[in-house]
Amino acid sequence: QQQVKQSPQSLIVQKGGISIINCAYENTAFDYFPWYQQFPGKGPALLIAIRPDVSEKKEGRFTISFNKSAKQFSLHIMDSQPGDSATYFCAATHTGRRALTFGSGTRLQVQP
Amino acid sequence: DTAVSQTPKYLVTQMGNDKSIKCEQNLGHDTMYWYKQDSKKFLKIMFSYNNKELIINETVPNRFSPKSPDKAHLNLHINSLELGDSAVYFCASSHSGTAAGEQYFGPGTRLTVT
Repeated sequence: QQQVKQSPQSLIVQKGGISIINCAYENTAFDYFPWYQQFPGKGPALLIAIRPDVSEKKEGRFTISFNKSAKQFSLHIMDSQPGDSATYFCAATHTGRRALTFGSGTRLQVQP
Repeated sequence: DTAVSQTPKYLVTQMGNDKSIKCEQNLGHDTMYWYKQDSKKFLKIMFSYNNKELIINETVPNRFSPKSPDKAHLNLHINSLELGDSAVYFCASSHSGTAAGEQYFGPGTRLTVT
């Protein structure tokens, strides 16, 4: 019930393209869904997050789409840039738990 | 200024040894965590502390003992190290008044057990 499934495992996108990473969860108690970005040799950093009462959240080139009935959410990176090349993790948690359950990660490479 | 810091950044040791990793945060947060990232990059919660009290212990072997001397520090002591303990260990912190998933991570400590 704590699992979060993430796909694809890796993604190669051309500069200027759209990167899409998908996640699905099982635990309906989850009420906060963040995305973290991790560069090699660094710790994960919060990128953008959404609560289940909204279907979409946009911050700059990054957008989360959320489908509560399907228990799925996705990250869209518009106009992908080489500097976006990193590993992206979806995660989920709820107020009563206060610990993140991470997806397995997606390694994104944006080719110039 | 570093928000969440960990020492050491690299730790190479032999099986059976005991080692410690230190974590400090200067964000004024009241909740701190230890996560383990394995060789496949999978991140998993190990421990969570709120106001120096343990609130999550995610079936971690009792060779791992966290200690929180105050709200700004959370150390991890590992006894009798095993090959399978090799991983990157991340400390993180958050404020209980904000969203549970809004966590700030340290740079990680890469532990290699030979």
